[in-house]
Amino acid sequence: TQLLEQSPQFLSIQEGENLTVYCNSSSVFSSLQWYRQEPGEGPVLLVTVVTGGEVKKLKRLTFQFGDARKDSSLHITAAQPGDTGLYLCAGRGNTNAGKSTFGDGTTLTVKP
Amino acid sequence: GAVVSQHPSRVICKSGTSVKIECRSLDFQATTMFWYRQFPKQSLMLMATSNEGSKATYEQGVEKDKFLINHASLTLSTLTVTSAHPEDSSFYICSAFGDRGRRDSETQYFGPGTRLLVL
Repeated sequence: TQLLEQSPQFLSIQEGENLTVYCNSSSVFSSLQWYRQEPGEGPVLLVTVVTGGEVKKLKRLTFQFGDARKDSSLHITAAQPGDTGLYLCAGRGNTNAGKSTFGDGTTLTVKP
Repeated sequence: GAVVSQHPSRVICKSGTSVKIECRSLDFQATTMFWYRQFPKQSLMLMATSNEGSKATYEQGVEKDKFLINHASLTLSTLTVTSAHPEDSSFYICSAFGDRGRRDSETQYFGPGTRLLVL
């Protein structure tokens, strides 16, 4: 069974601060996705990383995939209240019938 | 725009009734779809994998007679919660990976979710 540990579980910060969310595993993933979900809605894909060591940027969000493809991080610069939401990482393995393994989620609250 | 739709978005029913939730891939074919359950402020819990033309694969602890899954076509999977009880109240979400055609096969596209409340 592939496990994906996501931390922190809850994060409350002031507008303008930076933050990093981590996802770690002992398993290798063929790809890893980051999602953002708002209450009452389905998760929305932010990024997919595939190559070990890959870094992707999406405006103020920076995503990194570990060299060994076992871990990933999401860094938000100068957080804004609109960044508030539940952030989920999901790793997809080469086996396991194509299913994704989800982290426990990080609930981010950015206070104005 | 949305690539996976769910219907209904919200449903309230009496205890003992059955509720059907539809999940559709809008512009790609999905031989496999996934059904998740989510509690407030928690991550997604995979319930089952829906396979077109064959039986669904259920995760450990999920009652297959309680949560009936039918994947009748390459664009439609349905989840029926049979004899629903208050403890079945939850947010149900479906998803599908892209098909290497119009959508990225490594990306899991989620539906908007269905909020079920059983009274």
